[in-house]
Amino acid sequence: EAQVTQNPRYLITVTGKKLTVTCSQNMNHEYMSWYRQDPGLGLRQIYYSMNVEVTDKGDVPEGYKVSRKEKRNFPLILESPSPNQTSLYFCASSFLGGVGEQYFGPGTRLTVT
Amino acid sequence: KQEVTQIPAALSVPEGENLVLNCSFTDSAIYNLQWFRQDPGKGLTSLLLIQSSQREQTSGRLNASLDKSSGRSTLYIAASQPGDSATYLCAVLQGGSEKLVFGKGTKLTVNP
Repeated sequence: EAQVTQNPRYLITVTGKKLTVTCSQNMNHEYMSWYRQDPGLGLRQIYYSMNVEVTDKGDVPEGYKVSRKEKRNFPLILESPSPNQTSLYFCASSFLGGVGEQYFGPGTRLTVT
Repeated sequence: KQEVTQIPAALSVPEGENLVLNCSFTDSAIYNLQWFRQDPGKGLTSLLLIQSSQREQTSGRLNASLDKSSGRSTLYIAASQPGDSATYLCAVLQGGSEKLVFGKGTKLTVNP
């Protein structure tokens, strides 16, 4: 089954404690990206990657890091989480060039206290 | 900078009505436009994808149209049901940057 998986689905952590949210896709997609969704602000792109070892900033990259060492995986790293990073996070993937739809993961709800 | 606007922000209708959700975008240089459905606290489910060269796509009771030159898309839902209650998001895929830009959604409530 074609899918994007994210782990964990729910996470409560404290300020400053490093964390990683994993994202994996099984469709051999070149393009992967991370979004955060906040009430009243909609979905905003954090980082994206067009292929292995190629990453770039989206609209709200501050406080986040990513890596793309393998085509299927695109982890999101918060080195020192702060309360303003409390949000619902989504990973997505697709083929390049708009040839197909974007597939979204189920979301990770992060709370930073 | 691409901006995507969805009107109305919320809509409440009685069961059985046909309805139209609107999406507009400011930059016509897009690869495609995609409509999603999101239930509260849940992920995004893709409903319809319209390539930039297409005018419309249909799936069951859903029909989406695209007028790229005027920067508009509509999602038509026929014979609405309470199970259609959700937030509907449209998003355009920017040419070149591969960036997906979302509208803020229309929250639909279908009353039995």
